[in-house]
Amino acid sequence: EAGVTQFPSHSVIEKGQTVTLRCDPISGHDNLYWYRRVMGKEIKFLLHFVKESKQDESGMPNNRFLAERTGGTYSTLKVQPAELEDSGVYFCASSQRNTQYFGPGTRLTVL
Amino acid sequence: GIQVEQSPPDLILQEGANSTLRCNFSDSVNNLQWFHQNPWGQLINLFYIPSGTKQNGRLSATTVATERYSLLYISSSQTTDSGVYFCASNTGNQFYFGTGTSLTVIP
Repeated sequence: EAGVTQFPSHSVIEKGQTVTLRCDPISGHDNLYWYRRVMGKEIKFLLHFVKESKQDESGMPNNRFLAERTGGTYSTLKVQPAELEDSGVYFCASSQRNTQYFGPGTRLTVL
Repeated sequence: GIQVEQSPPDLILQEGANSTLRCNFSDSVNNLQWFHQNPWGQLINLFYIPSGTKQNGRLSATTVATERYSLLYISSSQTTDSGVYFCASNTGNQFYFGTGTSLTVIP
């Protein structure tokens, strides 16, 4: 069974540009989460989907971040326009019940 | 939200040594997971352990939910154990992570 996959693995963009990150959860997992780790600090929750609905988006830092999960399958996280402080590693996780399974992360660098 | 504290923040071990990593959490939780972030940045599930003890090879974990802490034991450490170890807990669906323990195992 395939695990959680994320694309791209790395992205380097300039301040002001737009970047879209993609996450494909484990097949059959209704719950999908986005987290990020910036500046070597702790990993912080961004938001949680149940199928295609946003269950909790309390961790989204500001309106430059937009997450979608079309059809309850894969999810995208768009950052527009990107700022320097958005640099970090963005993780996606999925779960069916208690255990969350994490993807390899996307390392985002904003120059 | 839940406060999660990990100790020690950094640890250097000689290959073959044993170690114990600690995770304290501030409130009752219904989930507790340990992860290993390898040098490539991937987060690998180690244990789902809201209570009790589990063992997997050279690794074992114990959570004492009533006292709000969890321990991760690494025995006979190997260089491939290097990386950052995170614990995370939640009450609902949102995970709260500790700041991690950075482990370096030297040959």
